[in-house]
Amino acid sequence: QQQVKQSPQSLIVQKGGISIINCAYENTAFDYFPWYQQFPGKGPALLIAIRPDVSEKKEGRFTISFNKSAKQFSLHIMDSQPGDSATYFCAASMSSGYSTLTFGKGTMLLVSP
Amino acid sequence: NAGVTQTPKFRILKIGQSMTLQCAQDMNHNYMYWYRQDPGMGLKLIYYSVGAGITDKGEVPNGYNVSRSTTEDFPLRLELAAPSQTSVYFCASSYGESTEQFFGPGTRLTVL
Repeated sequence: QQQVKQSPQSLIVQKGGISIINCAYENTAFDYFPWYQQFPGKGPALLIAIRPDVSEKKEGRFTISFNKSAKQFSLHIMDSQPGDSATYFCAASMSSGYSTLTFGKGTMLLVSP
Repeated sequence: NAGVTQTPKFRILKIGQSMTLQCAQDMNHNYMYWYRQDPGMGLKLIYYSVGAGITDKGEVPNGYNVSRSTTEDFPLRLELAAPSQTSVYFCASSYGESTEQFFGPGTRLTVL
């Protein structure tokens, strides 16, 4: 069974702090690692994604760090804001053979004012 | 562009009833997906399609059926609804595999 394990389940961070969410995968054939953000009552939306040819990707306050040897990747949210309060899902897939995304179970982030 | 649309937004079914959840996209995407989301369990893939006329099972297909007669539409059929099918259902589409998936707003289904 292809799995993506995500931690923590929930996270409370003060405004201006750094939020860190971690994911680990088992299948070494995975080569696409997106993060999705979901607000209550809405569908998930792509936040940022990385492929294993780089170890880090940054978009504004959001950064993905990727460690291929450890089979881990993480999302860092710098200067966390109350508007970042949402559920975050990591996912992974292979770029071949009609591969589909395998999602982690999600992290509920609350940024306190 | 409307993106991915889903109907209905909410539905209450009695055990044993059947219904179809509708999904449509106007982005000319080849790939379409159905997920269910249960609290604390993430998103589980029910069925997916890589093009009109082609569908395949995901992780949790039991109790569901799909069809893909056009590029735009991907309905999900529930036969003989059971309380275990109480969930939020999301439809998504993408241009190809390992590309951004665009999600609809979801359908909240309760089976009593």
